[in-house]
Amino acid sequence: AQSVAQPEDQVNVAEGNPLTVKCTYSVSGNPYLFWYVQYPNRGLQFLLKYITGDNLVKGSYGFEAEFNKSQTSFHLKKPSALVSDSALYFCAVRGPGAGSYQLTFGKGTKLSVIP
Amino acid sequence: NAGVTQTPKFQVLKTGQSMTLQCAQDMNHEYMSWYRQDPGMGLRLIHYSVGAGITDQGEVPNGYNVSRSTTEDFPLRLLLAAPSQTSVYFCASSPRERGNTGELFFGEGSRLTVL
Repeated sequence: AQSVAQPEDQVNVAEGNPLTVKCTYSVSGNPYLFWYVQYPNRGLQFLLKYITGDNLVKGSYGFEAEFNKSQTSFHLKKPSALVSDSALYFCAVRGPGAGSYQLTFGKGTKLSVIP
Repeated sequence: NAGVTQTPKFQVLKTGQSMTLQCAQDMNHEYMSWYRQDPGMGLRLIHYSVGAGITDQGEVPNGYNVSRSTTEDFPLRLLLAAPSQTSVYFCASSPRERGNTGELFFGEGSRLTVL
């Protein structure tokens, strides 16, 4: 079985400071890893993904994520937070060979960027 | 671009009533799925479809039925609504060529309350 853990329910960061939202995973084989963002009263939007290759993945809105196989982590990062980054962030994983519908999502981390 | 459209956006039901949540996509995506989102639990997969005429159960299928008669539509039916089905429901789709990369396109959600 595959699983995702987001250990922080909420992350607060001051505008302009770097931000990190943590994610660890468990899956058989090489993982496919994703980050999605949800703004209030909206559906989820895809941010970025790791399938293979470079461990540092760049995505939308200046976000990036670092894949660490030894620590089974896929933390989301941004060098300088904006107030507009305040949202709910979900990490997701699926195993190799599985379909896109077989994603397992974490519980979500609420990011609040303080002006 | 319409993308994934869900109706209704809000619905209140009484216990025992039935209803259908509609989902339509205009992107010719093969894969479609339904998730429910509950506080502190992230997204959980209810049912999914890999193409017209093909459906399968996800993590939490009990109390829900689906059908996929066309590529565009994937309705979710609640036959005997229960308070435990109070949730926000999301429909998502994905094209087959991206099916192995997991990028899902989400609707804006349907908030259901069962009294």
